[in-house]
Order: sequence, then structure tokens, then C-alpha cells
Amino acid sequence: AQSVSQHNHHVILSEAASLELGCNYSYGGTVNLFWYVQYPGQHLQLLLKYFSGDPLVKGIKGFEAEFIKSKFSFNLRKPSVQWSDTAEYFCAVNARGSQGNLIFGKGTKLSVKP
Amino acid sequence: EAGVVQSPRYKIIEKKQPVAFWCNPISGHNTLYWYLQNLGQGPELLIRYENEEAVDDSQLPKDRFSAERLKGVDSTLKIQPAELGDSAVYLCASSFVAGENEQFFGPGTRLTVL
Repeated sequence: AQSVSQHNHHVILSEAASLELGCNYSYGGTVNLFWYVQYPGQHLQLLLKYFSGDPLVKGIKGFEAEFIKSKFSFNLRKPSVQWSDTAEYFCAVNARGSQGNLIFGKGTKLSVKP
Repeated sequence: EAGVVQSPRYKIIEKKQPVAFWCNPISGHNTLYWYLQNLGQGPELLIRYENEEAVDDSQLPKDRFSAERLKGVDSTLKIQPAELGDSAVYLCASSFVAGENEQFFGPGTRLTVL
């Protein structure tokens, strides 16, 4: 069965610090990978996704993620965070080529201090 | 374009009472999902519809939960009777088709069972 692990429950950073949120998945086949973000009081929205091709994926608001197949990882990065990045971030995976459902990690809460 | 609409946004009931949640997906989206999100966890799929057919309800507790998607558009998720452990956020999402397409989430219904 597929599973997703997010290493950090809560990350606290100051503005302008660099961010890396870890995500590892467990699945033997080919996967599609996603990062969703939930800003305070808002609904989940897609930050970026990887289906195939360049393993370095760029998303909205300066976020990027790198798919490392050998490590089963899809870490999210941003070189310089802003206070407005305060949110909860969810990594998700589904099996490619199937009607596979999204399997989410538990989420990482990011707090950015102004 | 309107997003996924859910109502009510909040619901407080006493245990053993019935409760229903309503979802209107994005126009033209054939696939509709209901997720359960417990505090501190990522969303977990309850049921997926392709048009009006429930194609994956393996995670739906069928003794007390039921769902329908009449005419392949709106959907209702019902709990009868509710238990204390059902307190959570119930999310609805939709996508054009299943699999590799982005899922768009609604704001959720926060259920509190007293």
C-alpha cells in the first residue's frame, strides 16, 4: 500500500530564511507527486505537481520541488520565505496510469516570523 | 469560474443524531471525491464518484455513512447516527477526470459531535 511521510510536523522560520520540507513516499511503481498548501482559513490548493520529465518542478509563489527517484523523495524548497507563506503544506502521491486516489502525508505546519 | 462549494461550513450536533453534508463540484468535473480530515492529519479518501457511479467506496464506513451523487453533479454525504469520533473536517474535491488531473478542493465542513 502507498504511504507518504512528512518529516516535520511544525517548522518555524524567520522571513528570508530558506525552506526545505521533506516528503518521502512508499510505493514500488511509478507515481505522480503533488504538494498542496492550505493557508489559514482557506481551502487546499495545488502548489506544484510532478508527472514526468524534469525532476525539478517549479510551482507558484517561488516554490520548487525535486523528485529523487532513488530516494523516493519529493522535497519542497523555497530560497527565501515570506510571512505570507505561513500555512500548512501537504505532500501527496498517486499511482500513475491508474485511477489511483491521492494519498496524503500528515502535513507540515510552517510558521514564518516577520 | 466558481470553485467547489460545500455547505454547511460548520455543524455541531449531539451524538446519535444524523447529519448531512452537501457538495457542488466545479462545472464539467466528472470525478467527485469526499475526504475525511482529522486534526493533525492529511485528508483520507472516503469515496470517489465517476459521474453518478461510486467507483471506490472501500474506505467508507458503510454501517453509518452513506453518499449519493444523483445526476452526476451534486453530492451528499450522510452520517447516521453520528458518533463522537466522527468530529472532523469533511472535504469535497472534484477533477475533470480521475488519475492525473488536479483535484480542486472545497472549503470543507467542520463537524463537531458532542
